[in-house]
Amino acid sequence: AQTVTQSQPEMSVQEAETVTLSCTYDTSESDYYLFWYKQPPSRQMILVIRQEAYKQQNATENRFSVNFQKAAKSFSLKISDSQLGDAAMYFCAYCGWGMRFGAGTRLTVKP
Amino acid sequence: GAVVSQHPSRVICKSGTSVKIECRSLDFQATTMFWYRQFPKKSLMLMATSNEGSKATYEQGVEKDKFLINHASLTLSTLTVTSAHPEDSSFYICSDDRDYGYTFGSGTRLTVV
Repeated sequence: AQTVTQSQPEMSVQEAETVTLSCTYDTSESDYYLFWYKQPPSRQMILVIRQEAYKQQNATENRFSVNFQKAAKSFSLKISDSQLGDAAMYFCAYCGWGMRFGAGTRLTVKP
Repeated sequence: GAVVSQHPSRVICKSGTSVKIECRSLDFQATTMFWYRQFPKKSLMLMATSNEGSKATYEQGVEKDKFLINHASLTLSTLTVTSAHPEDSSFYICSDDRDYGYTFGSGTRLTVV
C-alpha cells in the first residue's frame, strides 16, 4: 500500500521569505502522480502543484516549486516570497488510484 | 475553472436517520469519483471509489452497508450515511478523477446528534 509522510506538523515563515515543506512517500509503482494541495480555513482543497513521476524536471508554478527525488521517494514543496494568503494546511498526496494524503503541515506566515 | 459541486455543505441529523450527500461534476464527465472523510485537524482518508454504472469499491475498514454510494450518471455520485450515529460526524469530501488533477467538492460537514 502507498503511504505518504509529512514529518512537519507545523511550519512558520516570515512574509517574503522562503519555506520548504517536506514529504516522503512509499510505493512499488513506477508510474504515478504527486500533488501538493492547500486547504485554507474554508476547507476547500486547492491544487497547488503536481508532478508526474516519469518527468525528471521539477514542476514549477509561479512562487511554488518542487524538489522531486524519485529514487529517494521525496517530494518537497518550496514556497518563495511567502505571502499572508499562503497560510493554510498543506497536504502532500500520492495518486495511483485515488489520492493518498499525508498528515498535513500547517503553515503560518508572519507579517 | 473546474467545478465540483457538493451538497449540502452542512447537515445536522438525529441519530438513527440517514443522510444523503450529493457530488456533481459540473463540467466533466466523471466515470469515477472518490469519497473522502476528514476528521478535525486530520488528513483526508479515502473511503471509497465510486464507479459509474457499477458497484463502488470500498477501502479496507469502511463499512459498505453504512456508507452507500451510487453513481448513476457521469456527473452525479451520492453518498448516503445510513443509520447515522454521532461517531459518523465528520467532514466528507468528494472529488472527480480528471486528468490526475482531481478537483474536490467544497465538502459536507455532517453532525449527528
